[in-house]
Formats: sequence, C-alpha cells, structure tokens
Amino acid sequence: AQSVSQHNHHVILSEAASLELGCNYSYGGTVNLFWYVQYPGQHLQLLLKYFSGDPLVKGIKGFEAEFIKSKFSFNLRKPSVQWSDTAEYFCAVNQNTGGFKTIFGAGTRLFVKA
Amino acid sequence: DTGVSQNPRHKITKRGQNVTFRCDPISEHNRLYWYRQTLGQGPEFLTYFQNEAQLEKSRLLSDRFSAERPKGSFSTLEIQRTEQGDSAMYLCASSLAQGLSLGYGYTFGSGTRLTVV
Repeated sequence: AQSVSQHNHHVILSEAASLELGCNYSYGGTVNLFWYVQYPGQHLQLLLKYFSGDPLVKGIKGFEAEFIKSKFSFNLRKPSVQWSDTAEYFCAVNQNTGGFKTIFGAGTRLFVKA
Repeated sequence: DTGVSQNPRHKITKRGQNVTFRCDPISEHNRLYWYRQTLGQGPEFLTYFQNEAQLEKSRLLSDRFSAERPKGSFSTLEIQRTEQGDSAMYLCASSLAQGLSLGYGYTFGSGTRLTVV
C-alpha cells in the first residue's frame, strides 16, 4: 500500500536558519507530489506541487522541494526561515494512474524562534 | 470568499447519537473528498466523489459512516451511533480534475471538530 514517511515530527529552528524537511514515499509508479502547510488556527493550504518536468519546484513564500525519483523522496527546503513559518507541514502523494485519493504523511511541526 | 465551507465547525455529541456534517465545495470543482485527522497524524482518506458518484471508500469508513453528494454539489457525511473513537477533525476538500490522470492539489475547508463524550 502507498505510504508517506516524514522523518521529523518536530523541528525547532532559529530565524534565518536553513530548513530541510524529509519526505519519502513508497509507491513505485508515476506520482504527483505535494507539500501542504497548516498555520496555527488555519486550514491546510497547498504550498507546492510536482507533477512532471523540472524536479526542483518552487512554491509560495520562498519554499522549494526537490523530487529525487531514485530515492522516492520529495524534501522541502527553505534557505532562511522566518518566525511566520511556524506551522505544521504535510507531505502528500497522489497516484497518477486514475487513483484519486491523496495519501498524507504524519506531518512535521516546525517552530521558529524569533 | 468562494473557498470550501464546512458546517458545523464544532460538534459535541453523546456516544450513540447520530451526527451529520456538511461540506460546500468550490462550485467549479468536480471532485470532493472527505478526510479524518486525529492529533499527531496527517489526514486519513475516507471517501471521495466525482460529481455525484462516490468512487472510493476507505476501509476506515465502517458501516456507521455514510456520505452523499446529491446533484454533485454539497456533500454530507453522517456518522450513526457515534463512538468515542470517532472523535477527530473531519476535513472536506475539493479539486478540479479532468480525465483520469490529473492530480491537482486540494482546496481544504476548515474542518468539523467532532467530540464524542
């Protein structure tokens, strides 16, 4: 069965530090990959997505993610975090074969110290 | 705002009672999804609709759960004979997709938090 694994459940960083959140998935076929973010008190929002093409995708607020097919990974990065990036981040995978459901990882809680 | 709307935002019910939640998706979106999220976990897939057709149900969705999307517009999720284990955030999302292979991201609603006492 498809699964998504996020390596860190909690991450604490100081402002201006670099961020990398790990995500691995188990499905071997063609996939669509997503990162969603949930800011405190808000609903889940799409941060960025990969469907095809350039494996380095850029999203909102300076986030980017790299799809490495050989490693089944889709890690999220940001060169310099801000206090406002404090949120929970979810990696998600959707099969590109007519399967319509998206599988989510357990999430990583990021706390950025001012 | 034409986002995904869920009602109610919070529901407290006694064990054994029935509850119904409503989701109004973005009007142009043809796909609607229900997820459940518990503390410390990511959203877990429950079911989804393409227009009015319910195309997949998770094994998490026991016989006590039923979902409908009449006329391909809003959707309802009903839980009968609620149990304490049903306490969770119930999330609705919608997306626009064409054909079989497009995987657009979801637009989520704010969720309905269910507490069964």
